[in-house]
Amino acid sequence: GQSLEQPSEVTAVEGAIVQINCTYQTSGFYGLSWYQQHDGGAPTFLSYNALDGLEETGRFSSFLSRSDSYGYLLLQELQMKDSASYFCAVSEAAGNKLTFGGGTRVLVKP
Amino acid sequence: ETGVTQSPTHLIKTRGQQVTLRCSSQSGHNTVSWYQQALGQGPQFIFQYYREEENGRGNFPPRFSGLQFPNYSSELNVNALELDDSALYLCASSLVGTSSYEQYFGPGTRLTVT
Repeated sequence: GQSLEQPSEVTAVEGAIVQINCTYQTSGFYGLSWYQQHDGGAPTFLSYNALDGLEETGRFSSFLSRSDSYGYLLLQELQMKDSASYFCAVSEAAGNKLTFGGGTRVLVKP
Repeated sequence: ETGVTQSPTHLIKTRGQQVTLRCSSQSGHNTVSWYQQALGQGPQFIFQYYREEENGRGNFPPRFSGLQFPNYSSELNVNALELDDSALYLCASSLVGTSSYEQYFGPGTRLTVT
């Protein structure tokens, strides 16, 4: 079967740094994506890793280790608007179906 | 460039009824995927359509079916509704055949089965 594990909830203050870990067990692997979803909203794409290493996109960075079946999303300089759920998702091929983790709810406090 | 749209926004149905949900893909995209998201959980893949053919299916029974039209819009049909079908249904479009890996999600249809 396929499974992705991530923490259910993280709380941090404005300006802090948060790391959301994701471990996966899937039958195939093409890449690891991260999506953000605000309450009542659609998931929106944040980052993607197909190769080992760190990808940086503004305040958000994502890391992948294929040998460890592990990745993380790093949120820096937290802002109130970053309060949302964050999902890691594995794709088996380009444009193919995504298998999502259960999501990590991030709560940013003033 | 228009984004992914879905209709209706909300829907209430009775157990045993049938429902059709609609999705218009982002301009230029040739693939639509449908996901079911229960409250507090991650989206679960239902199926994907590429050039009007089903291109992969998740662990959902046959009463979940779909269509993709020549203009790449799509429908999700669910027959014999059950209470557990209550969820947010998301469609996502993408462009398969390139190096693109991003899926663009619509706002979803909130289905309540009573």
